[in-house]
Amino acid sequence: EIVLTQSPGTLSLSPGERATLSCRASQSVSSSYLAWYQHKPGQAPRLLIYGASSRATGIPGRFSGSESGTDFTLTISGLEPEDFAVYFCQQYGNSPWTFGQGTKVEI
Amino acid sequence: QLQLQESGPGLVKPSETLSLTCTVSGGSISSTRHYWGWIRQPPGKGLEWIGSIYYSGSTYYNPSLKSRLTISVDTSKNQFSLNLNSVTASDTAVYYCARVEGEAPPDYWGQGILVTVSS
Repeated sequence: EIVLTQSPGTLSLSPGERATLSCRASQSVSSSYLAWYQHKPGQAPRLLIYGASSRATGIPGRFSGSESGTDFTLTISGLEPEDFAVYFCQQYGNSPWTFGQGTKVEI
Repeated sequence: QLQLQESGPGLVKPSETLSLTCTVSGGSISSTRHYWGWIRQPPGKGLEWIGSIYYSGSTYYNPSLKSRLTISVDTSKNQFSLNLNSVTASDTAVYYCARVEGEAPPDYWGQGILVTVSS
């Protein structure tokens, strides 16, 4: 199965700053089927990005995704107070679907 | 607005069966465009895809859990269920249900339910 390794584990930033989160796959992800989610305690995960770079419905433009081979990046350009949360990546191109360990973005 | 809600016991004894139900509201579980999945997250660990089911009853199970797992659907109640037998402490996790559309990732998730395996 594909192992997804996210880094860093924790990112300490201030509102307005740019956040860059990494997700590295152990092998090629079929069809660039890589998603990013935002997760806050006690809430349902929120889909942000699918297909490595497409924003999900209703997601603000400050969230963007990119890929380079087996390296995937989520960028949040200008952190808003509500963006402080855990972010995890998921590949859904190869069975079984797998997830990264998550990156916590904290103030 | 589609909503998914997990329900079931929060405590299960070792060697017994963990049973959870996901109730879908604001949409039909019989949609031909969607299928329905279970995911879990043990404390301090990453998420794990458990398996999924289509309204017709067609299933996919994660090979790591396949021997202990049954996922079923009840279209009359707009629910789908998870049964995991012979549980151990390593099955302690927050369990989520989610909706999947076509070849997209899960787009709607429940809030999750913590299930602890302990005597």
